Amino acid sequence: QQQVKQSPQSLIVQKGGISIINCAYENTAFDYFPWYQQFPGKGPALLIAIRPDVSEKKEGRFTISFNKSAKQFSLHIMDSQPGDSATYFCAASGAAGNKLTFGGGTRVLVKP
Amino acid sequence: DGGITQSPKYLFRKEGQNVTLSCEQNLNHDAMYWYRQDPGQGLRLIYYSQIVNDFQKGDIAEGYSVSREKKESFPLTVTSAQKNPTAFYLCASRRGSSGNTIYFGEGSWLTVV
Repeated sequence: QQQVKQSPQSLIVQKGGISIINCAYENTAFDYFPWYQQFPGKGPALLIAIRPDVSEKKEGRFTISFNKSAKQFSLHIMDSQPGDSATYFCAASGAAGNKLTFGGGTRVLVKP
Repeated sequence: DGGITQSPKYLFRKEGQNVTLSCEQNLNHDAMYWYRQDPGQGLRLIYYSQIVNDFQKGDIAEGYSVSREKKESFPLTVTSAQKNPTAFYLCASRRGSSGNTIYFGEGSWLTVV
């Protein structure tokens, strides 16, 4: 059972454009929603995270939008740069062990 | 420097052999995790441990074993019972109940030849 569904699988955007990645979850016990960035051959690194008591969180060029009623959240990368080319994973966790359940990932390519 | 160290980075194993992947953290984190990542795929949880001498199965524990004898160490053994062991293995850790952020190591590539 895939508890966190992520789309699209891949994304190509021009430099300066906006990258948008969407995730949907099923488990209403989830209360923490991070996004991770992963470069080839490296471990994922935390990018930004949100809790369900807020609808939006912004850190620099990265923004999470959260819709609790729809059980959806998304990552927006503004002014995308070639250095943003990576795979992005959404994830979710709840109280039980705080273990993360990951989406399938989105490979983002930013063209110069 | 504080962090999570995984070793070896690359490992080749013959079919039928067990292999152990090392994971050490000096962050004084309570919880530790092992994830498996297949090429172009997401991360799937193998095992996790919230305290020393205790661990729980994740979603894909079959063919794997772990131990947590020390707070800073959480080795993963890939046994010969694991049918498709070739993958990228990621160790992670998290502070106690007051923190949610999970930090990852650099990963270990295991190839069965």
